[in-house]
Amino acid sequence: QQKVQQSPESLTVSEGAMASLNCTFSDGTSNNFRWYRQHSAKGLEVLVSIFSDGEKEEGRFTAHLNRANLHVSLHIREPQPSDSAVYLCAVDTNTGKLTFGDGTVLTVKP
Amino acid sequence: NSKVIQTPRYLVKGQGQKAKMRCIPEKGHPVVFWYQQNKNNEFKFLINFQNQEVLQQIDMTEKRFSAECPSNSPCSLEIQSSEAGDSALYLCASSLPSYEQYFGPGTRLTVL
Repeated sequence: QQKVQQSPESLTVSEGAMASLNCTFSDGTSNNFRWYRQHSAKGLEVLVSIFSDGEKEEGRFTAHLNRANLHVSLHIREPQPSDSAVYLCAVDTNTGKLTFGDGTVLTVKP
Repeated sequence: NSKVIQTPRYLVKGQGQKAKMRCIPEKGHPVVFWYQQNKNNEFKFLINFQNQEVLQQIDMTEKRFSAECPSNSPCSLEIQSSEAGDSALYLCASSLPSYEQYFGPGTRLTVL
């Protein structure tokens, strides 16, 4: 059964400084890996989906996938206070359903 | 931006009561998922459908929940007899087969 762990649990950065979030998973055969963002009491917003080893950029959000190391990261360039939210890593288990990590709470200070 | 609609946004029930929530998937998306997110941000997959057919569900869903996705009507998830441990955010997502899942805003259930 796929296990997904995120670190750190919480992260505070200053506005404009790079924010880096990490996610490790147990089964490298999964099809794809996604990063979602969840603002308080709201649904999930997909940020980046990545399928192949390497890097994928969507605006200010860049994901790096390394299947051999069972690791996917998210880097947020020039974060703003409005980026403060819970960031969730999700792994597609080849059956369509997603397995989520427990999230990283990001706070961006002005 | 997601166009998945979930109602109601908030639901308060007493223990033992039925709790029903609805989801309208994005137009053209035949696959619908339900997840439960507890207060610790832990997600649990509950059930998914393709068109009106159940693809997968977990034991808990099979025993205490009922869910359906009738054609031309909203999908629904109903807890037959609510328990305190069912208090959570229930998220509906829809997708094309094997594509991105787009989530609705969720229904926050509180069981008193």
